[in-house]
Amino acid sequence: DIQMTQSPSTLSASVGDRLTITCRASQSIDSWLAWYQQKPGKAPNLLIYTASILQSGVPSRFSGSGSGTDFTLTISSLQPDDFATYYCQQYKSYPRTFGQGTKVEIK
Amino acid sequence: EVQLVESGGGLIQPGGSLRLSCAASGFTFSNYWMHWVRQVPGKGLVWVSRIRTDGTNIDYAASVKGRFTISRDNAKNTLFLQMNSLRVEDTAVYYCVRDWGNGYDFWGQGTLVTVSS
Repeated sequence: DIQMTQSPSTLSASVGDRLTITCRASQSIDSWLAWYQQKPGKAPNLLIYTASILQSGVPSRFSGSGSGTDFTLTISSLQPDDFATYYCQQYKSYPRTFGQGTKVEIK
Repeated sequence: EVQLVESGGGLIQPGGSLRLSCAASGFTFSNYWMHWVRQVPGKGLVWVSRIRTDGTNIDYAASVKGRFTISRDNAKNTLFLQMNSLRVEDTAVYYCVRDWGNGYDFWGQGTLVTVSS
């Protein structure tokens, strides 16, 4: 199985901050990576796919980069609506695996 | 509007069975692979199972293989998950998700399964 490791697990930030979350795969997944945002009590929402392509309707302050084993999700200017938990997921092979999540909290 | 609506969750004793359903609408259900993903409250996301458009090419996570069965009825736009021999560690919110080839673009609201005596 491909293991996905996110860091940090928790991140305290303020509105307007630039944020970077990293995701590392235990083996190459090319660019078969998605990022999701999940708010408490809600289902996850797809933000980015193929490592860097923004899903329709997702604000442009979100961006993704990387390939192979190392990936990042960046929020250029954190907004109040962005406080949530973020997950990466590889879809190169089965079982599909997720990172453990990064919770973005208000500082 | 794409909608995925799960049902069938609840409280069940260890060793029991439940059948989850996911009613799909707003898209051509038979064109998409579908998956189940679960999440223990307060924990991360775990892939459970997948099924191809025609009901074949089925796969399961090791933790549920032999106990869970995924199926679909394309005529009724419905995805199912039959869960047998349930264990306490199967307690989770179960999400029905649509696979569009680049991750999961639509998720249901989830249905909570609680396995407890």
